[in-house]
Amino acid sequence: GAVVSQHPSWVICKSGTSVKIECRSLDFQATTMFWYRQFPKQSLMLMATSNEGSKATYEQGVEKDKFLINHASLTLSTLTVTSAHPEDSSFYICSARDRVGGGSTDTQYFGPGTRLTVL
Amino acid sequence: KQEVTQIPAALSVPEGENLVLNCSFTDSAIYNLQWFRQDPGKGLTSLLLIQSSQREQTSGRLNASLDKSSGRSTLYIAASQPGDSATYLCAVRLYDMRFGAGTRLTVKP
Repeated sequence: GAVVSQHPSWVICKSGTSVKIECRSLDFQATTMFWYRQFPKQSLMLMATSNEGSKATYEQGVEKDKFLINHASLTLSTLTVTSAHPEDSSFYICSARDRVGGGSTDTQYFGPGTRLTVL
Repeated sequence: KQEVTQIPAALSVPEGENLVLNCSFTDSAIYNLQWFRQDPGKGLTSLLLIQSSQREQTSGRLNASLDKSSGRSTLYIAASQPGDSATYLCAVRLYDMRFGAGTRLTVKP
């Protein structure tokens, strides 16, 4: 099946620094990518949706200036957490789909996640 | 806005029991529903995907049903094993995918 990778798998940073997380589709072209955040013992919450070459669409309550998403190619999306603070510590998971808008039978593939800890 | 609810939030059973996990959603306009397994600190493992036109899917000891009109799905696990211990998430998809809060399952030897 299709594979989505994330890098790094974990990162620890100081408060105030910026952190970039990469999400790659390894064997398909991901026209749409999603970023989720998961706090401990909670479910995945959708942060934003991005289509290749377009600006990301952010969910209500997610600061677009803090969580910068770039989907510049069909195989790579990046999430940059700017001026990270301890409350941004979370598990970030990306997901990718190979069709814009989504057909009823296409599959959404998930990356393994990135654990961010902000000190 | 689509809301997904999973009951129970946690479940502890002895090994060998059959069990049912429940998922409900508020908007029946979905493409599909998917059940995932998540081990602590790990990503998601897809278990079963049910298209909106389907009623159920089976894989090994797992059986998932979907009643789209009533906004409900169940995941049935037969003959549970300690290795089944994990959090089980259901998610519904139209354009994007929305998740329930999960059921934390513990199967005791």
